[in-house]
Amino acid sequence: EVQLVESGGGLVQPGRSLRLSCAASGFTFDDYAMHWVRQAPGKGLEWVSGISWNSGSIGYADSVKGRFTISRDNAKNSLYLQMNSLRAEDTALYYCAKDSQWLASHPLFDYWGQGTLVTVSS
Amino acid sequence: DIVMTQSPDSLAVSLGERATINCKSSQSVLYGSNYKNYLAWYQQKPGQPPKLLIYWASTRESGVPDRFSGSGSGTDFTLTISSLQAEDVAVYYCQQYYSTPTFGQGTKLEIK
Repeated sequence: EVQLVESGGGLVQPGRSLRLSCAASGFTFDDYAMHWVRQAPGKGLEWVSGISWNSGSIGYADSVKGRFTISRDNAKNSLYLQMNSLRAEDTALYYCAKDSQWLASHPLFDYWGQGTLVTVSS
Repeated sequence: DIVMTQSPDSLAVSLGERATINCKSSQSVLYGSNYKNYLAWYQQKPGQPPKLLIYWASTRESGVPDRFSGSGSGTDFTLTISSLQAEDVAVYYCQQYYSTPTFGQGTKLEIK
């Protein structure tokens, strides 16, 4: 059974940093691209960032480019999102999502975690 | 980025009746090299993450009931629930994966 468990969310002041983690199990992690998708409270879904199976291809939404960094450790079956210079508009539930393929060029999300809540407020 | 627009924003349908949700993309998501539409549908129930229902515009994900179907091509797509069940109450999102992924704003489906 595929499981994706996010952690690292919390309350943080504007301008500060936070690092999210996603622990994956139930599938061969290094065979698939992985992504972060967020959902602001009561709002829709927004893709944040994606990374190919070997970290060779990485992409970011314009809204987070230059502030967020995605990475993965295939030996630990883990995905990460380093979030710097956080803003109030980054407040959201952050989901870790598995891609259906190894590249991140056409992201189709076939499994999702339960999410970790990030609240940016003073 | 490709903009995805769903209609309606909300929908109330009686149990056993048909529900239809539309999704329009600002540019075609039909890939010329393989003639596939890079369009997916997700279901999100309250307090849960989204669940993939349909991909390639009309292929049901494993385990998805056959009352769910997808159709359309190019820029216009439809998700149809042929006979609404109580457990289908949810928000439904379309998503294009032709390029940088974008989602529709969501359609809230309720029981009339």
